Amino acid sequence: AQTVTQSQPEMSVQEAETVTLSCTYDTSESDYYLFWYKQPPSRQMILVIRQEAYKQQNATENRFSVNFQKAAKSFSLKISDSQLGDAAMYFCAYRGSLNNNDMRFGAGTRLTVKP
Amino acid sequence: DTGVSQDPRHKITKRGQNVTFRCDPISEHNRLYWYRQTLGQGPEFLTYFQNEAQLEKSRLLSDRFSAERPKGSFSTLEIQRTEQGDSAMYLCASRGGSNYGYTFGSGTRLTVV
Repeated sequence: AQTVTQSQPEMSVQEAETVTLSCTYDTSESDYYLFWYKQPPSRQMILVIRQEAYKQQNATENRFSVNFQKAAKSFSLKISDSQLGDAAMYFCAYRGSLNNNDMRFGAGTRLTVKP
Repeated sequence: DTGVSQDPRHKITKRGQNVTFRCDPISEHNRLYWYRQTLGQGPEFLTYFQNEAQLEKSRLLSDRFSAERPKGSFSTLEIQRTEQGDSAMYLCASRGGSNYGYTFGSGTRLTVV
């Protein structure tokens, strides 16, 4: 079974600085999708960035980028120029191509942004 | 269409009562998912619909839980004889055929007292 591990329960970053959130996963599939979701307090979960495993190029969305290391099964999220609004729970998620009906989530990392 | 809607936002119920939650997905999305999220944890998959067909159920979905999507549009999740362990946030998400990611609703927070 696929598992997603986020080893950092909490992280903090100074406003305008850069922070990296870690995620590792376990799978026997070669084709799959990886996601980072943001869940602000008492608000809905929103998609931050996604990566298709067949793509070697790391995905980038404005201040958010990933470091996808397929061989190491690692998928970290880098937030540049951190803003107060980035404070939230961040969840790493995996969805396989074979059983693509079951997205698996990590336990989350709580990010605090200090002014 | 502004996204995935869930109703109610909060529900407090006494142990042993039945509760029903509703999810209205994005109208053109044919795939609908229910997840459960407890405090400090990531969402856990409960069940999945493609159109009106319930195609997959997690082992987390005990026989006290039932979900329906009668016309392939909105879905309901019913919990019978609620227990304190059912207290959680219940999230609904939908996905279109060509969309890799899910769009989540705001969730229904259930508290069983």
